[in-house]
Amino acid sequence: DAKTTQPPSMDCAEGRAANLPCNHSTISGNEYVYWYRQIHSQGPQYIIHGLKNNETNEMASLIITEDRKSSTLILPHATLRDTAVYYCILRGGSEKLVFGKGMKLTVNP
Amino acid sequence: DAGVTQSPTHLIKTRGQQVTLRCSPISGHKSVSWYQQVLGQGPQFIFQYYEKEERGRGNFPDRFSARQFPNYSSELNVNALLLGDSALYLCASSWTPVQEGGYTFGSGTRLTVV
Repeated sequence: DAKTTQPPSMDCAEGRAANLPCNHSTISGNEYVYWYRQIHSQGPQYIIHGLKNNETNEMASLIITEDRKSSTLILPHATLRDTAVYYCILRGGSEKLVFGKGMKLTVNP
Repeated sequence: DAGVTQSPTHLIKTRGQQVTLRCSPISGHKSVSWYQQVLGQGPQFIFQYYEKEERGRGNFPDRFSARQFPNYSSELNVNALLLGDSALYLCASSWTPVQEGGYTFGSGTRLTVV
């Protein structure tokens, strides 16, 4: 079973920042927080990951709380192409990813 | 650069038949994983192979099997198909089995069992 909790859906206006929350209150010390997204009819796409420090790349920023029990994925300027299902996943030393149902982000014009 | 390539993209099979799905990883990637995604759910882990050896297996029946070839491509076989095997089958590749960075997924094979 997935160890993360995400709201089922969220809307965002195009051009605005999208802040996607994730709760992971039972996270272990060696578990990273990973984010993937899946655009309709495509395979999941890796976005970003982090352990305890905030991370930023060309796609997004990841903010992890100090107690590591929750995190937020930030898309700074959402576009229509960011409409997708977003998955927050915990991963330690395992080879597998455990996906939950994810959160559907809809970016509206 | 070519990404992860899966074939076929779609296929329809009848209950009881057998199916083989194929995956070519990104050049240089030696690890391949298979996932099943039924409609409305997140992907579920089936297998991982690295250097032609099985490294991990999910909670799937023995009807599901896989192998990896010397060129690191992989096949997923499903025997005695059931209606419930209808799903999107995804392949993911990586340099190593448990690399810190993300896996790269293909676009999947949509299997419909009738």
